[in-house]
Amino acid sequence: AQSVSQHNHHVILSEAASLELGCNYSYGGTVNLFWYVQYPGQHLQLLLKYFSGDPLVKGIKGFEAEFIKSKFSFNLRKPSVQWSDTAEYFCAVSPPNRDDKIIFGKGTRLHILP
Amino acid sequence: EPEVTQTPSHQVTQMGQEVILRCVPISNHLYFYWYRQILGQKVEFLVSFYNNEISEKSEIFDDQFSVERPDGSNFTLKIRSTKLEDSAMYFCASSEAWASGGTQSTDTQYFGPGTRLTVL
Repeated sequence: AQSVSQHNHHVILSEAASLELGCNYSYGGTVNLFWYVQYPGQHLQLLLKYFSGDPLVKGIKGFEAEFIKSKFSFNLRKPSVQWSDTAEYFCAVSPPNRDDKIIFGKGTRLHILP
Repeated sequence: EPEVTQTPSHQVTQMGQEVILRCVPISNHLYFYWYRQILGQKVEFLVSFYNNEISEKSEIFDDQFSVERPDGSNFTLKIRSTKLEDSAMYFCASSEAWASGGTQSTDTQYFGPGTRLTVL
């Protein structure tokens, strides 16, 4: 079945460590790609998105993601995490020709140790 | 910054009862969505709505579900006869345009804080 897969369910890092959260999708064709974040007790917020153009996308709070079409991947990265990055991170895809919905991955819970 | 708001924050109901979850999208947005997240599972798309019509709905969105924009500000999700498996967090979202329509700044879906529905 077509889906969005996030490799890690729970990641624990120390402050200043580098972060990479994996995301793969199984849709063919042109997709739109997103990373959303949900801080404890807060709304889902958009971190960054890719529609076209430069496959390296920069988002808020120092996050970036790289779209690798051949690998159907859209991994999220941050070179140096902070305690305030503790949150749940969701990779999401708008399927081809269905821009009006977003399919989410299961989420990765990130815990940063101070 | 404008926000999507949802009421109530928590709704407890008996199985078989009707519930209405309410959302106030951001005022200049034209596209509206409902998603749900069962505890421990992923966020799932339910329905998208534009120009007083459903644009897309998922398999989850069966005849027990309906959406409505009863006035210029509210967007509601009704579950006619709740089941135990309807217990979840329900998120409303809105956007100015579809994900790839318009400019990059107008297509983001903004999410509300969610309504936790508990069906007993």
